[in-house]
Amino acid sequence: ETGVTQSPTHLIKTRGQQVTLRCSSQSGHNTVSWYQQALGQGPQFIFQYYREEENGRGNFPPRFSGLQFPNYSSELNVNALELDDSALYLCASRPGLAEETQYFGPGTRLLVL
Amino acid sequence: EDQVTQSPEALRLQEGESSSLNCSYTVSGLRGLFWYRQDPGKGPEFLFTLYSAGEEKEKERLKATLTKKESFLHITAPKPEDSATYLCAVQDTGFQKLVFGTGTRLLVSP
Repeated sequence: ETGVTQSPTHLIKTRGQQVTLRCSSQSGHNTVSWYQQALGQGPQFIFQYYREEENGRGNFPPRFSGLQFPNYSSELNVNALELDDSALYLCASRPGLAEETQYFGPGTRLLVL
Repeated sequence: EDQVTQSPEALRLQEGESSSLNCSYTVSGLRGLFWYRQDPGKGPEFLFTLYSAGEEKEKERLKATLTKKESFLHITAPKPEDSATYLCAVQDTGFQKLVFGTGTRLLVSP
């Protein structure tokens, strides 16, 4: 069984640019959440998607947006990048809203210069 | 607002020296408390889910326990490969997000 995968593993952007990060959920998992983890901190919840609909959002501005596709893979888009957006971006999936445990991917390391 | 505080921030042990990590939490209604292990630059790896006070779960050298205010992760006779950051998170009954602590960085020396 394939776990959660994310791409790319690393990328470097400059302030003001836009970025798209991708996540393939674990097989059979229809719920995907995105988290931002700054260096030395715990992950912070960005938003969650369930069956292609946004199902909850954390304290992040609208320039953070997402999508979920019919195969339950997901994208995180960030517009107008700021230096503070530099972080590890984590995707987590679970079989459904009734299941509590979330399984994380390896993350994408974003550096904004 | 849900909050999670982990202590100590960092812990250095000798191989075989048992110890415990603490996770204190406040949540309006607990749906689950989670422990994850995270290696540098990688995603968190799931360890345990605890649902109610008094519950305990074990996996190899790790044992997690839960009370109404805190959780402990006991590490018995640790090995160098147990070196990692251990993250605690809670999920409340009203919302589905995980709220994480800042983690405990564990270093086990041979």
